[in-house]
Amino acid sequence: AQTVTQSQPEMSVQEAETVTLSCTYDTSESDYYLFWYKQPPSRQMILVIRQEAYKQQNATENRFSVNFQKAAKSFSLKISDSQLGDAAMYFCASLNTGTASKLTFGTGTRLQVTL
Amino acid sequence: KAGVTQTPRYLIKTRGQQVTLSCSPISGHRSVSWYQQTPGQGLQFLFEYFSETQRNKGNFPGRFSGRQFSNSRSEMNVSTLELGDSALYLCASSLALTGLNTEAFFGQGTRLTVV
Repeated sequence: AQTVTQSQPEMSVQEAETVTLSCTYDTSESDYYLFWYKQPPSRQMILVIRQEAYKQQNATENRFSVNFQKAAKSFSLKISDSQLGDAAMYFCASLNTGTASKLTFGTGTRLQVTL
Repeated sequence: KAGVTQTPRYLIKTRGQQVTLSCSPISGHRSVSWYQQTPGQGLQFLFEYFSETQRNKGNFPGRFSGRQFSNSRSEMNVSTLELGDSALYLCASSLALTGLNTEAFFGQGTRLTVV
């Protein structure tokens, strides 16, 4: 069984600063994907970034990047130049390719962005 | 193209009643997954349908059921509602082709309140 752990219930960052959200996971599978989803007050889950486990290079999407440490089973999200619109719940999730479409989520981190 | 559409957005039901929620996936997506989101349990996988067949199932009682139609639209049914079924129910669609892009696109959810 897969588990995903987010140990930071809440984080705060000032506008234009950088923040890192932590995530650890556990899986016995060798082939899997990792994701960060954002859930704003509108409740719709929005994919922020994804990482294929077989890729050593860390994924990057504009101001969002990950630090994927496969041996340590760690998958942190770095948000650079934080904006007010980044305020939301952030969920880390994993997916085994053998169980396509079954996402396992962490408990989430609420990110506040202050002026 | 149109996103994932869930109806209704809000629902209030009485204990013991049953409820049906609907999800229309993105055009061309054949996989529809359902998740329950509560403050206490977080995001939990209910089940996934692919080409009208249930492909994965989470650890929920038999009161929770679903189906998928030939146009990929999916319905989720909960019978004999309990207070603990109050939650946000999220639907996600994807291409779900093994080894290829498995990105899940979420709807805005149905907020179910059981009184």
